[in-house]
Amino acid sequence: GENVEQHPSTLSVQEGDSAVIKCTYSDSASNYFPWYKQELGKRPQLIIDIRSNVGEKKDQRIAVTLNKTAKHFSLHITETQPEDSAVYFCAASRNSGTYKYIFGTGTRLKVLA
Amino acid sequence: EAGVAQSPRYKIIEKRQSVAFWCNPISGHATLYWYQQILGQGPKLLIQFQNNGVVDDSQLPKDRFSAERLKGVDSTLKIQPAKLEDSAVYLCASSQFGQGYEQYFGPGTRLTVT
Repeated sequence: GENVEQHPSTLSVQEGDSAVIKCTYSDSASNYFPWYKQELGKRPQLIIDIRSNVGEKKDQRIAVTLNKTAKHFSLHITETQPEDSAVYFCAASRNSGTYKYIFGTGTRLKVLA
Repeated sequence: EAGVAQSPRYKIIEKRQSVAFWCNPISGHATLYWYQQILGQGPKLLIQFQNNGVVDDSQLPKDRFSAERLKGVDSTLKIQPAKLEDSAVYLCASSQFGQGYEQYFGPGTRLTVT
């Protein structure tokens, strides 16, 4: 069935360093890939997304890259700050009428001051 | 704009009891989703509505879970009877119809089954 694998499950970085989270999807028809940030006890919020016709997208300190051939995509956070500490989820979705998301298992990012 | 509203925020019940969760999506959002998020895992889709019709309920345990969206606006998710493994956060999300539209999540209902 459809599956999204996400690595690592936990990631600790020093403030100012970069963080990279990787996801691999199984459904080759997936063409939309959002990333959500979930702070402790709060709702998931979209931070960046990418569609399959684009290889990379940036928004200030956040970037996402997509390799359709390998079926994997990555989140890059540069110049990390303590407020970046949260759980990050990737998801994959296909344009098939339901547009349902298959979420990864999450990465707990800790930015150490 | 107002966000997705959910109630209650927390609920503690004993196994075999029943429970209901309520969700009011963002105004104008035709698509509504219910997710189950078990501690340490990503959200798992339970059911998806398009207006008042069910689009996908393939992962809904239909022997104990039910959901409705009678007027195509707010929705109710019910569990009867509850099991210990139902302990989780139940998230409601809504989106505009169409590919790639962002799903907006509510604050969730944390259910503890004892």
